[in-house]
This record gives sequence, structure tokens and C-alpha cells, in this order.
Amino acid sequence: NAGVTQTPKFQVLKTGQSMTLQCAQDMNHEYMSWYRQDPGMGLRLIHYSVGAGITDQGEVPNGYNVSRSTTEDFPLRLLSAAPSQTSVYFCASSYSGGQLSYEQYFGPGTRLTVT
Amino acid sequence: AQRVTQPEKLLSVFKGAPVELKCNYSYSGSPELFWYVQYSRQRLQLLLRHISRESIKGFTADLNKGETSFHLKKPFAQEEDSAMYYCALKGAGSYQLTFGKGTKLSVIP
Repeated sequence: NAGVTQTPKFQVLKTGQSMTLQCAQDMNHEYMSWYRQDPGMGLRLIHYSVGAGITDQGEVPNGYNVSRSTTEDFPLRLLSAAPSQTSVYFCASSYSGGQLSYEQYFGPGTRLTVT
Repeated sequence: AQRVTQPEKLLSVFKGAPVELKCNYSYSGSPELFWYVQYSRQRLQLLLRHISRESIKGFTADLNKGETSFHLKKPFAQEEDSAMYYCALKGAGSYQLTFGKGTKLSVIP
């Protein structure tokens, strides 16, 4: 079990460039999400998905797109990178539904710098 | 709206001293509360959830609905406890976690 994997680990972009951050999980989790982590701000939810074909916005969705064509993959697209998107990005997954609370498993993160 | 507040950005304690990391929340219903930890150069991982009422690595946390708090405690701090700690809230019927801004715990040898 690889758990939650993210690529790349590091990325430097110029303002206006686009790119896709990859996230995959092999635990058959229905729920997947993207967070950004900024100093003094904690983790903020960007987008999430409760299953293939279903996505929704989180707290800070502007400038980002997501899609969920398979259970395993949940890529995050930056449409036109801006310096304000410099951050560490984490992908997470968990089981969803029911009355039990399920643990979210996090990926190792992608450190993105936009110049 | 739900909110999680961790009032301390940094908490420094000596090895062997008691530790208390504070977490207060705002939520109109019955929330589920969690503590996540991020050790240096490692990914975020679950430490505790209130619903389990367990003790992990000597840490405990009790949900106080009257004071809307979920403070994390450990009687004797160890150097390996140095890490970033995040309190998180999950609302009823929701999949989303709302995180606090985190507290960096530094245990001084």
C-alpha cells in the first residue's frame, strides 16, 4: 500500500503558467480533498470530492480546478499561476459516509513557488 | 459557520513538564473533533479523535461542550513530541475538516 502519493514534490512556476498537481490513493477511499498550508494560516480546503464524477468547492477555490474521473486520482489544476498561490499543497483521502468519523490520510505535500 | 481557534502559535516546554495545547471551536451542532500532528519532514497524521476517547503517545483530549474546547494534554513532555499540532473539526453530516492555524510545540531538553 503506497497510501496517498503526490507529484511533484517541488515546483517553481512563473506567473501566468499553468500546471497540474497529481494526487493518487490506493485505499479505495471515496473522499478526497486538496488543502493549502500557509504559515500562520493552518490548512485551508481548496476543493473536495465524495466520489468519481463529484467535486465541490472548499474555502479557497479561486484559481484552481479539479476533476475526479476515477476513484484513485484527484488532480489539482492551477489555471494561471499567481504569486499568491505560493504554498505547500496537501492531498488527503478517507472513507466517507455513515455515522463514524473516518481518518483522513495525507500525502507528503507539494511545495510550489510562483515567481 | 464553523471555526477552530488555537490561540498559541508556539509553545515551548521543558522535557518532563506537562503540556497543554489549547483548542476552542465554534459550531452550532454536535461536532467531531480531531488532533492531527506533523513531525518535521513528515506528512500530517491523525493523533486523536474525541469519539474514540483513547490515549495515543501519552496524549489525551477531552471534548468539553460547555466550554467548546478540545485541549490536548500530556503529563510529561518528551523531546520527540516536538512537532506542529493542528486541531480540526468535522461537522455533522459533512465530509470536510476545518483546521485551526496550528501550534508549534517545542520541547526543550
